[in-house]
Amino acid sequence: NAGVTQTPKFRILKIGQSMTLQCTQDMNHNYMYWYRQDPGMGLKLIYYSVGAGITDKGEVPNGYNVSRSTTEDFPLRLELAAPSQTSVYFCASSYSGSGQGSTEAFFGQGTRLTVV
Amino acid sequence: DAKTTQPNSMESNEEEPVHLPCNHSTISGTDYIHWYRQLPSQGPEYVIHGLTSNVNNRMASLAIAEDRKSSTLILHRATLRDAAVYYCILRYSGGSNYKLTFGKGTLLTVNP
Repeated sequence: NAGVTQTPKFRILKIGQSMTLQCTQDMNHNYMYWYRQDPGMGLKLIYYSVGAGITDKGEVPNGYNVSRSTTEDFPLRLELAAPSQTSVYFCASSYSGSGQGSTEAFFGQGTRLTVV
Repeated sequence: DAKTTQPNSMESNEEEPVHLPCNHSTISGTDYIHWYRQLPSQGPEYVIHGLTSNVNNRMASLAIAEDRKSSTLILHRATLRDAAVYYCILRYSGGSNYKLTFGKGTLLTVNP
């Protein structure tokens, strides 16, 4: 089972460049999430989506954009990269079922991004 | 969102039990208690969750206080592979709160 797949695994960007972090899941989950994790810190929620065509901001959305055109894919876009966006980015998905509180979330292995 | 409080770090010896505490005094009746862990250089992985009753699975046990204001994740025999950051989070089971937010977690060190 592939689960949640993130690409690329590593990337170095120059200040001002743009890039898209890809995330795809094959579990038919309706909920998807993007997090960033700075060194030695916990995960901060950037954006999340409850289904195709529906997205909402998390705790730290500035500098990022998302779209959700299909159930499987939830790309994260950085338009003008800044050194403060150097971080490890994790994508996650979960199923809502009859009460989303009872379902587990599955995480990808992360994308390590450095902005220089 | 209801908050959780965990110790920053804990230490254990290999093959001994570990009890990781979590306080969630503002928990609501429809919040599930979830535990995740993050091994070094990996994404978080699900460990266990519960609502009111104690729960067991192949990885761990979850003991939930009768008033649900605290819980304890129990690793019955810690191994070196259990060294990780453990996160206790609450997942709301009703309405439109779909967020999944993490705190800083507890860094568990396992000594050989």
